[in-house]
Amino acid sequence: IQLTQSPSFLSASVGDRVTITCRASQGVSFYLAWYQQKPGKAPKLLIYAASTLQTGVPSRFSGSGSGTEFTLTVSSLQPEDFATYYCQQFNSYLGVTFGQGTRLEIK
Amino acid sequence: EVQLVESGGGLVQPGRSLRLSCAASGFTFDAYAMHWVRQAPGKGLEWVSGISYNSANIGYVDSVKGRFTISRDNAKNSLYLQMNSLRNEDTALYYCAKDIGSYGDAFENWGQGTMVTVSS
Repeated sequence: IQLTQSPSFLSASVGDRVTITCRASQGVSFYLAWYQQKPGKAPKLLIYAASTLQTGVPSRFSGSGSGTEFTLTVSSLQPEDFATYYCQQFNSYLGVTFGQGTRLEIK
Repeated sequence: EVQLVESGGGLVQPGRSLRLSCAASGFTFDAYAMHWVRQAPGKGLEWVSGISYNSANIGYVDSVKGRFTISRDNAKNSLYLQMNSLRNEDTALYYCAKDIGSYGDAFENWGQGTMVTVSS
């Protein structure tokens, strides 16, 4: 299963609402997760099961979708949110894939 | 506190082998699936391999099938990745990651990674 994120690059300002889309080449049920990665750091799990917020993640992050189209929304960007975001699907041990990433930068 | 500490990376010539280890602490290791994820310099994330809590289910990305072997020792709270016939394109930072469940789903905790460089 291939995951395609859009856009690949996003420029936004503090306080903006932004949405990143992840499209799957075939249905992935609800095993879809989102991660945030900052330079030189390991990724951090934000959302799993498409819409479940990981413990400790601010509520301005939300996820939605099912089947082949999923979205990650940040309701009001904070300075610490500028990073690269990845979606990931788990399709049993036949294959796990990540999207190519969306780089979110300050406008 | 969950801790995952990778080791075993380094510089190796093409065709040679390396064994990565991940020492886990702060959680019940034998209750969770575990994974290896890599990131080539300046590139995105790539899942390499995963293993369920009891080793009954194992998977690999196509590019490493037949060359890499994942294993775990629940008595030692450790995860391993035996990498044989290494290629230049295996050069990456290799992360050990703990799943949120026992079978496989999402990657809840990550180590800091161990760098593998394949070059002559």
